[in-house]
Amino acid sequence: DIQMTQSPSSLSASVGDRVTITCQASQDISDYLNWYQHKPGKAPKLLISDASNLEAGVPPRFSGSGSGTDFTFTISSLQPEDIATYYCQQYDNLLVTFGGGTKVEIK
Amino acid sequence: QVQLVQSGAEVKKPGASVKVSCRSSGYTFSSYAITWVRQAPGQGLEWMGWIIPYNDDTHYTQKLQGRVTMTTDTSTSTAYMELRSLRSDDTAVYYCARGKKFSNSFDYWGQGTLVTVSS
Repeated sequence: DIQMTQSPSSLSASVGDRVTITCQASQDISDYLNWYQHKPGKAPKLLISDASNLEAGVPPRFSGSGSGTDFTFTISSLQPEDIATYYCQQYDNLLVTFGGGTKVEIK
Repeated sequence: QVQLVQSGAEVKKPGASVKVSCRSSGYTFSSYAITWVRQAPGQGLEWMGWIIPYNDDTHYTQKLQGRVTMTTDTSTSTAYMELRSLRSDDTAVYYCARGKKFSNSFDYWGQGTLVTVSS
């Protein structure tokens, strides 16, 4: 099974800061990588699909890039409503794996 | 609009079984996969498996093979996830989600169902 290493596990940043989260796959997954935002008590929300496609209605401050084994998720200017845990998710050969999550807090 | 509505919270004893339902509306149910994901207290998201309603093709994570069964009822646009031989570490919020077309992501999610396993 493919393993996903997501880092950091948590971060604290100021409003307006640029925030970057990385996800590394244990083998090539092409662009089969998605990013979700998860707030306590709510369902996860798909933000980025297929490594870099911004979902409809998602603010453009969110972006994703990468292919193969190394992927990056960026919030260009952190807002108070972005406080959440973010997860990467990969798909390979009918199986799915989530990264360990990154908890984003306001400094 | 697309909606996935799950059944209510459950409390079960160790060794029992639980069956969570996920009723879909707003789209053609048989045309989209349904996946199940859980989150134990203080832990991350864990993928459990998925089912394709069109042909009931299923794929489960190796960790739950033999204990989990996913089914669908296309007449009511409802997906079900049954977990047997419950243990305390099965205590979690269980989510269903729809597989996005031409992608391997999950675009609409149910509200979650808390399953508590306790003696």
